[in-house]
Amino acid sequence: DTGVSQDPRHKITKRGQNVTFRCDPISEHNRLYWYRQTLGQGPEFLTYFQNEAQLEKSRLLSDRFSAERPKGSFSTLEIQRTEQGDSAMYLCASSLQGGFEAFFGQGTRLTVV
Amino acid sequence: KQEVTQIPAALSVPEGENLVLNCSFTDSAIYNLQWFRQDPGKGLTSLLLIQSSQREQTSGRLNASLDKSSGRSTLYIAASQPGDSATYLCAVNGNDMRFGAGTRLTVKP
Repeated sequence: DTGVSQDPRHKITKRGQNVTFRCDPISEHNRLYWYRQTLGQGPEFLTYFQNEAQLEKSRLLSDRFSAERPKGSFSTLEIQRTEQGDSAMYLCASSLQGGFEAFFGQGTRLTVV
Repeated sequence: KQEVTQIPAALSVPEGENLVLNCSFTDSAIYNLQWFRQDPGKGLTSLLLIQSSQREQTSGRLNASLDKSSGRSTLYIAASQPGDSATYLCAVNGNDMRFGAGTRLTVKP
């Protein structure tokens, strides 16, 4: 098992463009989380999935953000009409079930110019 | 809503010192608490996981304690080394997983 994988590692985009990130969790992990982290801050919770069901969304996840996990395996996070304030590291984590040890990917660093 | 606080925000110590990082949380209805390490620009590496029924967990020079009733956890690092320099984050696992802002540790040679 190669751990949690995120793609791309880095993304530079112009303001107003749409971007999509992908997360491949550890196989057989049912729980998948998305977080956003800005410089000097801890990860901020965005959303999580139990299998393909999205169980909770933070108010940080505005209508420009959408996340999917269509088959309960990989997940995508899409940001529409990006703004400079969206520049951050986007982190994905997975765990076997809720309440089990979580493992993180290396993150996708987004820069909006 | 779970609130997680880490104190201090930053810590600088000379090599060889023992140190304690603190984490507090507001809602004691948790499954477990996990300590992570994060190097600049990198993802999070899991250090220790303490189940809600446990009081302590040890891994090498690291020891984490949990007092669920008072909403506190500590991470003890023995004989610190420059390679321990990083940000240390605690995460409280209830229905979801919430983080503190982290403690940025610098160990000076």
